[in-house]
Formats: sequence, structure tokens, C-alpha cells
Amino acid sequence: EVQLLESGGGLVQPGGSLRLSCVASGFTFSSYAMYWVRQAPGKGLEWVSFISGSGFNTYYVDSVKGRFTISSDSFKNTLYLQMNSLRAEDTAVYYCAKGTGRVAASHVDFWGQGTLVTVSS
Amino acid sequence: QSALTQPASVSGSPGQSITISCTGTSSDVGGYNYVSWYQQHPGKAPKLMIYDVSSRPSGVSNRFSGSKSGNTASLTISGLQAEDEADFYCSSYTSSSTLVFGTGTKVTVL
Repeated sequence: EVQLLESGGGLVQPGGSLRLSCVASGFTFSSYAMYWVRQAPGKGLEWVSFISGSGFNTYYVDSVKGRFTISSDSFKNTLYLQMNSLRAEDTAVYYCAKGTGRVAASHVDFWGQGTLVTVSS
Repeated sequence: QSALTQPASVSGSPGQSITISCTGTSSDVGGYNYVSWYQQHPGKAPKLMIYDVSSRPSGVSNRFSGSKSGNTASLTISGLQAEDEADFYCSSYTSSSTLVFGTGTKVTVL
């Protein structure tokens, strides 16, 4: 059974940093691209970043480029999202999701339960 | 990359069929047969309902079906049930190798 468990969310001041983690189980972690998707309160889903199964290829939505860094550790089956220079508009539930391809995916098929990031003074 | 366009809300009575549209461009919906649909109940994570335009994951009811014509994809829910009341999001693979989601549709069962 595929399981994705996020952690690391919380309240942070504007300009601050947080690192999100997502521990994966139930599949061969290095064989699939992994995604971070966020959802602002009362809003829709927004793809944020993804990393290939090898960890060599990373992609970001324009609004987080230069501020967020995605990484993965295949030995720990863990996905990370380092978030720096946080802004109020980054406030959202952040979901970890499994892709269906090794390099890029046509869709994501499993989601974690999400972790809430609140950026506020 | 702009979000795909969905109607804000769709409603129907139990037993009826409803259809949700999802409009993109030739760089996403129209360019690939990689449209997926997700159901999200309040406070819960999204759940994959349809992938690759019209395929259903194991365990998803055959009351859910998908199709595509040009730059517009559609999700049809037949035999509407109370448990179908939720938000639905479409998603598409894009020419940038990324994913884009739709604006979301709230389905109400009257």
C-alpha cells in the first residue's frame, strides 16, 4: 500500500524558512517522479515543484523559483521542500504526491494528507 | 502556465447525470491525452478518479467517465449519489513537462 506522510509545516514569519518532509512507503521511491502541490485556504490546487526519480531533474512553478528547493533521499525514501523567503501568499496546505513516471508524470496517483504552512507576522 | 478553466459549480439530483468541463490550450489539454480528474472532499486530500482522459484506477466506480474533444476535457458522473458531493479538479500534462490543474468545480447533490 502506497503511503505518503508529510511533516514540517507550521507558522512562520514573512521572510522566514521552513523545510517540509514527505516519507514514502509501499513503492520503489527512486522509480517515480515526486511532486509538491499546494492549496491555499479556500482555493484550488497548484503544482509547486517536482523532482525526477533519479533526483537529477527538478522543476518549479515561476512564483517559487529561486526561493524553494526540492530534493530527495532515496535511501530514506524521503522527499523534501526547502522553502526560503516565505511570503504571505505561500500560505497553504502542501501535499506530497507520487507521479506515474520516472522523469515526469502524466498525472499523480497518490497523495499525502498534507501539511499546513502559515506565513504571518 | 494558466490554470485550466472549469465551471465554479455544477449541481444535480440523485440519479441524474452531470458533466464538468475543463478547457485548456493546445499546449496542455489539446496536445496530449494526459488529462486526469481528482475528487476532493472537505478537509481531505484529493483522490484520483480518471487518468489519461478516460481510464479509471482500480476501485473507482464506473459511474465516473472521462472524454476529450480538442482543448476541452469532460468528466461525467452518472447516477449521481450524495457521496459524490465534493470538489473536482482536472489536470493536464503540459508542453513544459509540468502539470497544470483546473480552477475546480463544486458538485452539489440537490
